[in-house]
Amino acid sequence: DTGVSQNPRHKITKRGQNVTFRCDPISEHNRLYWYRQTLGQGPEFLTYFQNEAQLEKSRLLSDRFSAERPKGSFSTLEIQRTEQGDSAMYLCASSLEDIEQFFGPGTRLTVL
Amino acid sequence: AQSVTQLGSHVSVSEGALVLLRCNYSSSVPPYLFWYVQYPNQGLQLLLKYTTGATLVKGINGFEAEFKKSETSFHLTKPSAHMSDAAEYFCAVSEPGGADGLTFGKGTHLIIQP
Repeated sequence: DTGVSQNPRHKITKRGQNVTFRCDPISEHNRLYWYRQTLGQGPEFLTYFQNEAQLEKSRLLSDRFSAERPKGSFSTLEIQRTEQGDSAMYLCASSLEDIEQFFGPGTRLTVL
Repeated sequence: AQSVTQLGSHVSVSEGALVLLRCNYSSSVPPYLFWYVQYPNQGLQLLLKYTTGATLVKGINGFEAEFKKSETSFHLTKPSAHMSDAAEYFCAVSEPGGADGLTFGKGTHLIIQP
């Protein structure tokens, strides 16, 4: 399978704990995006990388959130001191240049 | 700032009937426009996109959409609905260059009645 993969698919954590998600993009894609999707809503843009450089961050990305893309390959999204409001589906997408984004299956986070 | 409005959180049609899902956008520059479909517990799959050129675009699974600049609309249609079309549909917009990612509407849940 050469699509975008995300791990884990599901994560249940207690409030206050830290969590980290991983996204592996399609191998030749230089752009990588993170989105958050809450129930009944469309995905909301969080951040975007071109190769290893993080070029844009949404105001939704509080200081508890951090994303990295070392060496321009896979990316990680970490949430520190999780809150119940962080419960959502976290989606990763990759693209070659700026047109079509290919989405992964997402990581569903539940904060108890 | 860009925004997307999808009229109707739920749309119900009979199998074989016309599907029409509405999308209006707001953008300060000519945007790129997209329709994505999401099946339960899955990621989003691109149905079709408009960047430049012909305003009527055809996508996968028999769907098509028409970009109407004067109406700031990008409605999605399919002549004959199939049961397998039941899913969540999202309209999205981006500025050329895509630096801010995609801005999505809230989605429309398409229900197909047998």
